[in-house]
Amino acid sequence: GAVVSQHPSRVICKSGTSVKIECRSLDFQATTMFWYRQFPKQSLMLMATSNEGSKATYEQGVEKDKFLINHASLTLSTLTVTSAHPEDSSFYICSAAPPLTGLGNQPQHFGDGTRLSIL
Amino acid sequence: GESVGLHLPTLSVQEGDNSIINCAYSNSASDYFIWYKQESGKGPQFIIDIRSNMDKRQGQRVTVLLNKTVKHLSLQIAATQPGDSAVYFCAENRQAARQLTFGSGTQLTVLP
Repeated sequence: GAVVSQHPSRVICKSGTSVKIECRSLDFQATTMFWYRQFPKQSLMLMATSNEGSKATYEQGVEKDKFLINHASLTLSTLTVTSAHPEDSSFYICSAAPPLTGLGNQPQHFGDGTRLSIL
Repeated sequence: GESVGLHLPTLSVQEGDNSIINCAYSNSASDYFIWYKQESGKGPQFIIDIRSNMDKRQGQRVTVLLNKTVKHLSLQIAATQPGDSAVYFCAENRQAARQLTFGSGTQLTVLP
């Protein structure tokens, strides 16, 4: 079954609308979650690292005031695209990383993505 | 806006043949590598991983090979099936960092 649940799967809305995307870790407590953006036929581009109980870390070139991230619990991170415009249309994907153990890093598990279309 | 003009490398194989997908990584400090499969409209799905203290790891129908000397990773799929058609991404990271760096991806098409 799904390890990471992402909702909604698709959003179509008017320019200027703010859109919230939820990412839930179902099988483990995730102190760290990640948000990616993917354009057609391209790879995943990391936007930000979401840390439970603290501020998100944004990659260079990603506007933190545009893409608001909240990681209020160990199983939920949200990404809000504020005042969305057509250029924000893309496929947004979240992932959750299991806690680090003595074995080192474990694979991130991904949600099924959110297709955002701004008209 | 969206970038245009970039195309994924493609690989077409006959059903039943073996597939080999290659990936070059750049960071010699990377010590953990993962292969993901992404079907259209879905998120990446974990296939297999390997740590830098190994050079080969096998799963069900899949094998990952790691050559640290030339910073090269490959994914071998045995007896490729139509359901294997997807985009395959390699990803790397360092134990000190949680962030993954993804490769450009390869579109695998299985021909009947």
